[in-house]
Amino acid sequence: DAGVIQSPRHEVTEMGQEVTLRCKPISGHDYLFWYRQTMMRGLELLIYFNNNVPIDDSGMPEDRFSAKMPNASFSTLKIQPSEPRDSAVYFCASSSLGYSPLHFGNGTRLTVT
Amino acid sequence: DQQVKQNSPSLSVQEGRISILNCDYTNSMFDYFLWYKKYPAEGPTFLISISSIKDKNEDGRFTVFLNKSAKHLSLHIVPSQPGDSAVYFCAATRYNTDKLIFGTGTRLQVFP
Repeated sequence: DAGVIQSPRHEVTEMGQEVTLRCKPISGHDYLFWYRQTMMRGLELLIYFNNNVPIDDSGMPEDRFSAKMPNASFSTLKIQPSEPRDSAVYFCASSSLGYSPLHFGNGTRLTVT
Repeated sequence: DQQVKQNSPSLSVQEGRISILNCDYTNSMFDYFLWYKKYPAEGPTFLISISSIKDKNEDGRFTVFLNKSAKHLSLHIVPSQPGDSAVYFCAATRYNTDKLIFGTGTRLQVFP
C-alpha cells in the first residue's frame, strides 16, 4: 500500500496565480479530507468527501478555495487567486470510516510571495 | 473558535523520564479522542485513541487519560526516547459525525 500520495511536495507561486494541489487517497478508503496546517491554528479541516461527494466545506476560508473529487482515486484543492496568507502546509488524508484514524499524505508546502 | 486546545507549544524532557502532553476541549459533545504524532516533512500518523466511555487507554509506552468533567485529556510517554521527538496533535470528534478537530500541536523534544 503506497499510502496517501500528494503532489507537488513544494509549490512556490506569486500572489494572484492559480494553485492546484493534488491527492490520491488509499484505495478502498471512502473518506477524503483536506487539512491546512499553520502555526496559529494547527491543523484546520477545510473540506471532506464521502464516496466522492463533498459533505462539509464549512472550513474552506473563502470562495477563492475550491475542491473536487472526480473519482475515488483523485482529488484536487484549488486556490484562485492565491494570496500570501494562503502560505501553509496542506495535507490530504483518507480513511475507511469517518472517525477512524486518518491516514495522511506528506503534505504540500505552499509559499505565495 | 478553537474547540481543541493544546496550550503548551513545546516541551523538553530528558531521555528515560516521563513526557506528559496536555489537551483541553470545549465541546462537551465530543466522545472520541485521538493523538497523532508528526515528524518534520511527514504527515501526522495515528498514535492512540480513547472513547469517552473510558478514562484510560494504554498501548506500550503510551497512555492516554481522559477527564470528562474537566474536558481534559493527556498523553503520557514512559519512558521517553529520543525517537519520540516530534509534534503531537490532539484531536476530537463525535461518533455520529465524520469531522476530526485538531489542536495546534505540542513540540516534544527528548534529549539524552
